[in-house]
Amino acid sequence: AQSVSQHNHHVILSEAASLELGCNYSYGGTVNLFWYVQYPGQHLQLLLKYFSGDPLVKGIKGFEAEFIKSKFSFNLRKPSVQWSDTAEYFCAVNTRGGGGNKLTFGTGTQLKVEL
Amino acid sequence: NAGVTQTPKFQVLKTGQSMTLQCAQDMNHEYMSWYRQDPGMGLRLIHYSVGAGITDQGEVPNGYNVSRSTTEDFPLRLLSAAPSQTSVYFCASSPGKSLYQETQYFGPGTRLLVL
Repeated sequence: AQSVSQHNHHVILSEAASLELGCNYSYGGTVNLFWYVQYPGQHLQLLLKYFSGDPLVKGIKGFEAEFIKSKFSFNLRKPSVQWSDTAEYFCAVNTRGGGGNKLTFGTGTQLKVEL
Repeated sequence: NAGVTQTPKFQVLKTGQSMTLQCAQDMNHEYMSWYRQDPGMGLRLIHYSVGAGITDQGEVPNGYNVSRSTTEDFPLRLLSAAPSQTSVYFCASSPGKSLYQETQYFGPGTRLLVL
């Protein structure tokens, strides 16, 4: 079964600082990778996703993530965070196992951006 | 479109009581799922459905029942609530008959407290 690890549980940054949130997964086959975000009081929504092709994917609000197959990683980055990026970020993986019908989430990273 | 809607927003139950969490989507999505979100544990899949009349278990199905009589609705039933079921419950849907390479659209969540 696949699993997802997010090692940073709480991150506090000042505005304009650079962000990198770690995500590692354990699965030896083909994976589909996602980052979802939950802003305070809002629904979970998709930030970006990777299925194949260019391993550097860009998402909404200036976020990007890089798939490094050899490291089983899909880290999320943003060059300069804003106060409005305060949210909880979830990495998730989907595989063909079980008919491709399950999305496994990491435990989440709570990001707080201070003014 | 209203997207994915959930009712109630908040519920308090006593141990042993039963209740149904409602979920509906108006996007004609085939796939629907229920997750629970607990601090430090991310989102865990409870049950999912790939179409009307078809349901299957996720990672943490014990204590929960589901049915899918229509494409639009996917209720989650707690037969005999326990304090361990105190959590935030999210319903989600996606367009295809499989979740493979699909984006999920989440509802606003139901916060459940079992005393």
